[in-house]
Amino acid sequence: GAGVSQSPRYKVAKRGQDVALRCDPISGHVSLFWYQQALGQGPEFLTYFQNEAQLDKSGLPSDRFFAERPEGSVSTLKIQRTQQEDSAVYLCASSLESGTGGFEQYFGPGTRLTVT
Amino acid sequence: AQSVTQLDSQVPVFEEAPVELRCNYSSSVSVYLFWYVQYPNQGLQLLLKYLSGSTLVKGINGFEAEFNKSQTSFHLRKPSVHISDTAEYFCAVDNFNKFYFGSGTKLNVKP
Repeated sequence: GAGVSQSPRYKVAKRGQDVALRCDPISGHVSLFWYQQALGQGPEFLTYFQNEAQLDKSGLPSDRFFAERPEGSVSTLKIQRTQQEDSAVYLCASSLESGTGGFEQYFGPGTRLTVT
Repeated sequence: AQSVTQLDSQVPVFEEAPVELRCNYSSSVSVYLFWYVQYPNQGLQLLLKYLSGSTLVKGINGFEAEFNKSQTSFHLRKPSVHISDTAEYFCAVDNFNKFYFGSGTKLNVKP
């Protein structure tokens, strides 16, 4: 079946521009996660949705970062007024359940954002 | 607070040799532990996970890992590696659905 898809795969933005990154999770998956992976580092948690509810946004680095999942399926991560330090790969993951944890997260291929 | 340490950033090894990738974690609560593999330009793929029960966990592609609570470790092993195992490997702790990843270990299998 189809996995997690993300678009665009690559995005180049000039400093100060706004960007929107899209994530299509696996159909029926309740939970959706966003991670930021800087070059040479492991992914770092940004935010987490259970259906349409954003349950944890503690990892968002600033108020320029905003995520939504209005109908409990597709999610968009928006970054306003991009800065060079925002350059990274943004990974989306989904899981069938959530509960107290222990469920596999299925990852998309990521969107590589380069801010010039 | 949760954290994951992968001390080895790169591990070179010859084909058919055994390999161990080290992972240590810190956690104040019971943990769920995962190993993921990332091939170039691809997303992370689950290798194996530890939730409870037997401390020796077997995963895909011949990998296994052993959970050691006293040493707070979850090292990944394979008895004989192949060229196709060349990739980056990430250890992760799941704390109420929030995954904390290590910085990764690049496994370079040489012919």
